[in-house]
Amino acid sequence: GQNIDQPTEMTATEGAIVQINCTYQTSGFNGLFWYQQHAGEAPTFLSYNVLDGLEEKGRFSSFLSRSKGYSYLLLKELQMKDSASYLCAVGIRRKNRDDKIIFGKGTRLHILP
Amino acid sequence: SQTIHQWPATLVQPVGSPLSLECTVEGTSNPNLYWYRQAAGRGLQLLFYSVGIGQISSEVPQNLSASRPQDRQFILSSKKLLLSDSGFYLCAWSFPGAGNTEAFFGQGTRLTVV
Repeated sequence: GQNIDQPTEMTATEGAIVQINCTYQTSGFNGLFWYQQHAGEAPTFLSYNVLDGLEEKGRFSSFLSRSKGYSYLLLKELQMKDSASYLCAVGIRRKNRDDKIIFGKGTRLHILP
Repeated sequence: SQTIHQWPATLVQPVGSPLSLECTVEGTSNPNLYWYRQAAGRGLQLLFYSVGIGQISSEVPQNLSASRPQDRQFILSSKKLLLSDSGFYLCAWSFPGAGNTEAFFGQGTRLTVV
């Protein structure tokens, strides 16, 4: 089966750094995504990793280790607007064009002033 | 550029009534299409996905069905709604083939079954 785990909630302080971890067990792994979702809104894409290593995009970075089934999202210089849920998602490809994307339950990040 | 339209934004329906949510994509051909549901405070549960017209894969047994009558149209339906069908329904699309591109989401439909 497919399983994606991430912490339910985290709290951090404005200006600080926070790391949100995600572990997964899937077959047909075809990449890992991070999304941000504000309450009541649709998710928005943040990052994609398909190879091992770190991808940096401004204040956000994402890391992947395929052998460990592990990823993290690193948020630097936290701002109040970063208060949101962060969803880890895995692309699955089991056979030709049988593609899907499954999501973890999300980590609700609270930023304190 | 590509856009995705999903409607309605909000819906209140009585138990036992039918449901039809529609999603259309513009600006791309043969997209992968997805329906997700999000219960309050929870993650996204994949309900259905489609890689082509008439090709629907269901992830979980449930009271819902999906259809793809045209290349860029994806419809979520129910004949008789249950209270447990309440939630935030999101349609999404991704580029076809590789499965390694992100999903782009519609604005969602908040369904309340009363």
